Amino acid sequence: GAGVSQSPRYKVAKRGQDVALRCDPISGHVSLFWYQQALGQGPEFLTYFQNEAQLDKSGLPSDRFFAERPEGSVSTLKIQRTQQEDSAVYLCASSLVFSGGDEQFFGPGTRLTVL
Amino acid sequence: GESVGLHLPTLSVQEGDNSIINCAYSNSASDYFIWYKQESGKGPQFIIDIRSNMDKRQGQRVTVLLNKTVKHLSLQIAATQPGDSAVYFCAENYTGGFKTIFGAGTRLFVKA
Repeated sequence: GAGVSQSPRYKVAKRGQDVALRCDPISGHVSLFWYQQALGQGPEFLTYFQNEAQLDKSGLPSDRFFAERPEGSVSTLKIQRTQQEDSAVYLCASSLVFSGGDEQFFGPGTRLTVL
Repeated sequence: GESVGLHLPTLSVQEGDNSIINCAYSNSASDYFIWYKQESGKGPQFIIDIRSNMDKRQGQRVTVLLNKTVKHLSLQIAATQPGDSAVYFCAENYTGGFKTIFGAGTRLFVKA
């Protein structure tokens, strides 16, 4: 079966532009996570969805970051008024169960470059 | 593709040797630990996990050891192969929690 997919794979934005990053989790997976990975570092948690409910958004770095999963499947991470420090790989992961305590399946990521 | 972990600690081993990658975790409340492998241009890939009620777990060519006293985790790879070359991350979580915390990562380089 298909794994987690993300689009676009690469995105270049001018500073101040808005961007939207899409994640298609594995069908039937309840949990969905977004991470930010800066070059040379481990992924950092951004937010968590259980079905359509966003239960934890403590990792979102500012109010310019917004995530949604309106029907409990596809999720979108939106970044408004992008800044250079937003440049990173944005990873999406999904898992079958209701918490972070189980195997997460990661997508390939979207590499965002803000000029 | 993009190179992951340009400035990470590096472990260089000869093909066929055993590799040991170490990790210190931060949260005493964590009870679930995972090792991930990440190749350039790809997302992290699950290797093996262990829960806090165990101190050792074995998979195919991999073993994870957990020492809760000193909050230390290690990944042992037997008969390391060139395909094992990647960046390895340890991660921690707790049952019922949502936030997985990743370590800084170690780059494994396997010499043929």
